Amino acid sequence: QVQLVQSGPELKKPGASAKVSCKTSGYIFTSSGVTWVRQAPGQGLEWLGWINPYDGHTNYPENFKGRVTFSRDTSASTVYMELRSLRSDDTAVYYCVKDIHFSISHWGQGTLLTVSS
Amino acid sequence: QTVVTQEPSLTVSPGGTVTLTCASSIGAVTSDTYPNWFQQKPGQPPTSLIYTTRNRQSWTPARFSGSLLGDRAALTLSGVQPDDEADYYCALLLLGGWVFGGGTKLTVL
Repeated sequence: QVQLVQSGPELKKPGASAKVSCKTSGYIFTSSGVTWVRQAPGQGLEWLGWINPYDGHTNYPENFKGRVTFSRDTSASTVYMELRSLRSDDTAVYYCVKDIHFSISHWGQGTLLTVSS
Repeated sequence: QTVVTQEPSLTVSPGGTVTLTCASSIGAVTSDTYPNWFQQKPGQPPTSLIYTTRNRQSWTPARFSGSLLGDRAALTLSGVQPDDEADYYCALLLLGGWVFGGGTKLTVL
């Protein structure tokens, strides 16, 4: 079955960087895009962007360009999300999600990133 | 800034029918915005329900249906069960990226 398993919770100081991993299984890694979404405490969902694991092509919204980078390791069927220059309002649960043909289907379990001094 | 708007909250009786909607600030929602719908219960990641307007995921019960209603996307729940109490989010593909609605808190009472 399709699974996306994310790395564990992280505590970072303001100004630092964080890197979250998302290991996929149950489907051909290069056949489906992966979208990243975050959810601040008590808030709604926010799109962080998308990566095509086949060629590494990425698409970021304007408000995250220059601060977020997605990458992938095809040998490990894993995608990564790095967020830099962290602020307290980046505190959120970060999700990776399988995204193919305009269908957002399978969600990772989420990774809590806490930014605090 | 592109905004997607949902009803903040709705209440429905068990066994009843309720429709949640999803509107775009930049124009009518069409099939070309590929509406997706998600359910989220407290402390859990979202679960995908509907993709590309009206297609159920393989695990989505038949009582959930998606459609276009006027200039909005709609999610209709029929024969509502107490377990359907949750937050519901829509997402639209707008200007090359996904934009999520603010969510609807559905109470079954």
